[in-house]
Amino acid sequence: SQQGEEDPQALSIQEGENATMNCSYKTSINNLQWYRQNSGRGLVHLILIRSNEREKHSGRLRVTLDTSKKSSSLLITASRAADTASYFCTTQYNFNKFYFGSGTKLNVKP
Amino acid sequence: GAGVSQSPSNKVTEKGKDVELRCDPISGHTALYWYRQSLGQGLEFLIYFQGNSAPDKSGLPSDRFSAERTGGSVSTLTIQRTQQEDSAVYLCASSRPGQDEQYFGPGTRLTVT
Repeated sequence: SQQGEEDPQALSIQEGENATMNCSYKTSINNLQWYRQNSGRGLVHLILIRSNEREKHSGRLRVTLDTSKKSSSLLITASRAADTASYFCTTQYNFNKFYFGSGTKLNVKP
Repeated sequence: GAGVSQSPSNKVTEKGKDVELRCDPISGHTALYWYRQSLGQGLEFLIYFQGNSAPDKSGLPSDRFSAERTGGSVSTLTIQRTQQEDSAVYLCASSRPGQDEQYFGPGTRLTVT
């Protein structure tokens, strides 16, 4: 499979804690994106990191990319109940073909 | 502004019938994508359009699936002779020229009975 796969499959934390989820992939990529999916807002783009970048920040989100290990991590700091959702990584290669993993289900308890 | 819209939002059909799913991308978005998501699973890439052209149709699960896009805008995904395993949420996304960020529609939930 050429898919990106997230780890862990499920994560439950208390509000205010940090949440870290990981993504591994198998082939060379152009970029890697993280998306969030919840029942209220559907799938929403969070952040994109290109293959020549190692770290990127957006608000409470921090993404790292290690192309030598073919892995990425998404850190959500100071989590809120509203962060409860499934988080997917997607990798692009072969020009405009995207593969999504099965996601990490994050539950943030108030 | 208006986002990606999809219709119908829900479709229940009998096995063997044909269905058509519609996607209206954001105005000005040249790239359009179709995905399928089974319950509790990730997204399965189906097909991508750049303008009206689909350079790679290998993601379509079988020859019962086809997709077209006209006028660089609306796209339809057609499933012929539906099977129960076709039951899923079908998601459409679009993106701006030169951008990889995809904007997703709410999806069409297809149930084949």
